[in-house]
Amino acid sequence: LAKTTQPISMDSYEGQEVNITCSHNNIATNDYITWYQQFPSQGPRFIIQGYKTKVTNEVASLFIPADRKSSTLSLPRVSLSDTAVYYCLVGVLFYEKLTFGTGTRLTIIP
Amino acid sequence: DTGVSQDPRHKITKRGQNVTFRCDPISEHNRLYWYRQTLGQGPEFLTYFQNEAQLEKSRLLSDRFSAERPKGSFSTLEIQRTEQGDSAMYLCASSLSGTGYAGEQYFGPGTRLTVT
Repeated sequence: LAKTTQPISMDSYEGQEVNITCSHNNIATNDYITWYQQFPSQGPRFIIQGYKTKVTNEVASLFIPADRKSSTLSLPRVSLSDTAVYYCLVGVLFYEKLTFGTGTRLTIIP
Repeated sequence: DTGVSQDPRHKITKRGQNVTFRCDPISEHNRLYWYRQTLGQGPEFLTYFQNEAQLEKSRLLSDRFSAERPKGSFSTLEIQRTEQGDSAMYLCASSLSGTGYAGEQYFGPGTRLTVT
């Protein structure tokens, strides 16, 4: 499984755009990139998944460069409710187990 | 609310006691997963079922742990002779294979176990 590296923590002010970058240098050809969000005392929640270029949904955008060795989760105009831990996962195939790292703890400041 | 429920939400037990947790997945989901999460760490995979068949077990799942999914519906996770190191959040997730995103699992709220 591809190892991922992401910042341990980030702070941002309300209303700002937040970009969280994840490095995955040994990503395999068949690997997808998936991001989850976890609030305190809750289970993780799927945010977005992509393979290459850009994916956008109602919650976030995911940017993946051509070499796919990194990816960036972009949260537009964050609010206090976006304070959570964000996990980058690589290597999700065939609806099998998920491998989480330690994630990025995002704190939104009023 | 994702539609996945877990019971109980909290459990305090004394070392050496047995505990059992229940997970009710989204009804049409054929895959069910158990994870364990300790403070400051991401969830760690324990085991998963497709229908009633247990397809994979992590090395984390020692002989004291057993999981079942009778009839492919709800699942139970039992820990025998609990140890203080078993204190963690136990998360259940479900998915429907062959649909949606391959990496999308729906997690329950978890059961927080404290072993004293």
